[in-house]
Amino acid sequence: NAGVTQTPKFRVLKTGQSMTLLCAQDMNHEYMYWYRQDPGMGLRLIHYSVGEGTTAKGEVPDGYNVSRLKKQNFLLGLESAAPSQTSVYFCASSLRSGGLGTEAFFGQGTRLTVV
Amino acid sequence: SQKIEQNSEALNIQEGKTATLTCNYTNYSPAYLQWYRQDPGRGPVFLLLIRENEKEKRKERLKVTFDTTLKQSLFHITASQPADSATYLCALARSQAGTALIFGKGTTLSVSS
Repeated sequence: NAGVTQTPKFRVLKTGQSMTLLCAQDMNHEYMYWYRQDPGMGLRLIHYSVGEGTTAKGEVPDGYNVSRLKKQNFLLGLESAAPSQTSVYFCASSLRSGGLGTEAFFGQGTRLTVV
Repeated sequence: SQKIEQNSEALNIQEGKTATLTCNYTNYSPAYLQWYRQDPGRGPVFLLLIRENEKEKRKERLKVTFDTTLKQSLFHITASQPADSATYLCALARSQAGTALIFGKGTTLSVSS
């Protein structure tokens, strides 16, 4: 049982380059999320999805795009990377909770450096 | 907008003592609050969830309280062990619909033997 898997684990980009981070979950979860984690800032929500084909903005969406074409996958794209996007990115998923709350399962993270 | 504050960035205690971590929130009345543990280089791992109608929740050596009047949650680890050393995050739903979590910055606990 893999849970939440992120690809790649590490990446170095040059300013202006583009890339896509892939998140895959095998738990049939409806909700999926992308967070970034920076020293002193904690985890901040970038975008999230409540179901296949739907996405929504989080707290820090600028410079990122997402797509959820399949229920099990959530892609995070950087069209033109900037040094400010150097961070550790975490994907997470959870069941639909109906407002009652359920635990979120996190991937192992992707460490991205933009030079 | 919602704001979550975890009062201490770091907490150092001796093995066997009880660690108490604090999470305060403002501008919101969440239906539930969660606590996660994060080890260096790893993703957060869920520990406990407490709902607004629950005052206290326990799991083994962990205890969480939720005071909706004070807008505060306390997270306790009793009989702490060096293996409990980690960063602990509190989280609550971003909206009443409960569709996404926002996190505090975390408290790093160090338990010395």
